[in-house]
Amino acid sequence: DVKVTQSSRYLVKRTGEKVFLECVQDMDHENMFWYRQDPGLGLRLIYFSYDVKMKEKGDIPEGYSVSREKKERFSLILESASTNQTSMYLCASRERGLAGNNEQFFGPGTRLTVL
Amino acid sequence: AQKVTQAQTEISVVEKEDVTLDCVYETRDTTYYLFWYKQPPSGELVFLIRRNSFDEQNEISGRYSWNFQKSTSSFNFTITASQVVDSAVYFCALSPIIQGAQKLVFGQGTRLTINP
Repeated sequence: DVKVTQSSRYLVKRTGEKVFLECVQDMDHENMFWYRQDPGLGLRLIYFSYDVKMKEKGDIPEGYSVSREKKERFSLILESASTNQTSMYLCASRERGLAGNNEQFFGPGTRLTVL
Repeated sequence: AQKVTQAQTEISVVEKEDVTLDCVYETRDTTYYLFWYKQPPSGELVFLIRRNSFDEQNEISGRYSWNFQKSTSSFNFTITASQVVDSAVYFCALSPIIQGAQKLVFGQGTRLTINP
């Protein structure tokens, strides 16, 4: 079974802090994704990576950056956390294939609260 | 631009009732994939089904069935004889079939509550 793990289920940080959210997958997937989930908005893509050291902006990259130094790990970084970044963050991974046909496998999510 | 709309924000039914979750999508692509995911209270999205735009056959898996109608750009999900364990948030999503494309576009989600 594919397993995607996220470093924390719940996180509370203060405005201005630098925040790291870590995601690890154990199925050697090339593609990894970071989403945020907000009520009424569904899931919105922040960044994705299609290979080690490769990254691309998603729909809402402002205020975030990412790092993919190893294939299994994809980190989301909030350089200076703000209250509007309070949200549920979901990581996903996917095997490379014909675009679109492979499903994404999701982690359990990190609920981040910025005070 | 691609868009997925799940107009039903919340649905609440009594156990054993049938329930249909609506999904309407917009895309200019002629080929694409559609997905349904379930998000139980634990938070992790679970893949339910994938359907490509070439295949308009409906699909049934146990109590779950999906109705794909390209003419109306809809991909609706029906749970027959609902159970309390079906309570979750359900997401419909769209992905183009383009080499290198990665993105899933999600709908807003429908929160389904099955009451005993």
